[in-house]
Amino acid sequence: SQKIEQNSEALNIQEGKTATLTCNYTNYSPAYLQWYRQDPGRGPVFLLLIRENEKEKRKERLKVTFDTTLKQSLFHITASQPADSATYLCALQDGSGNTGKLIFGQGTTLQVKP
Amino acid sequence: SQTIHQWPATLVQPVGSPLSLECTVEGTSNPNLYWYRQAAGRGLQLLFYPVGIGQISSEVPQNLSASRPQDRQFILSSKKLLLSDSGFYLCAWSVQRREETLFGSGTRLTVV
Repeated sequence: SQKIEQNSEALNIQEGKTATLTCNYTNYSPAYLQWYRQDPGRGPVFLLLIRENEKEKRKERLKVTFDTTLKQSLFHITASQPADSATYLCALQDGSGNTGKLIFGQGTTLQVKP
Repeated sequence: SQTIHQWPATLVQPVGSPLSLECTVEGTSNPNLYWYRQAAGRGLQLLFYPVGIGQISSEVPQNLSASRPQDRQFILSSKKLLLSDSGFYLCAWSVQRREETLFGSGTRLTVV
């Protein structure tokens, strides 16, 4: 069956360090992969989208990689700040369809300590 | 710019009561609308998604239904709530079905 896995354990890092979050998937061939940020009690907020023919995408302090051979995406936050503390969700869109359905991982909670 | 409105923010309902959650989108026409649910400690689960103009498909069997009375209005309903319906409900839309998705602020539903 299709599966998306994110590290369920919280990631604690010191301010200024680089945070790296992992998203692995199986039995899936996504045309797109997206990353969202979710704060407690709020809806997810879109951060980055990367297509299957792209290896890397950057936006300010954020960087996403997409390895379709390893079936893995890495999400990096450089020079992390306490304001980056949140839950980060990985989401895949099925490339075989055109419905825009997103399948989400359970998310990884990041805690940046000052 | 496009915005999405969802209400109410919180709701406490007894088991067996009906449900109606509403979502509207401004700044665009014919948006692709979705409903997701997030149970405590679990990831986002897709409930309903668009499959054509005016058509909505259910992703999982449940006692919930979705309707689209107007182009930019989306309703999530139930005739009789179950305890297992408790969760955080999110309305979402995308301009193109293969691009970013914009989420509403969510409704925290507690069935007691």
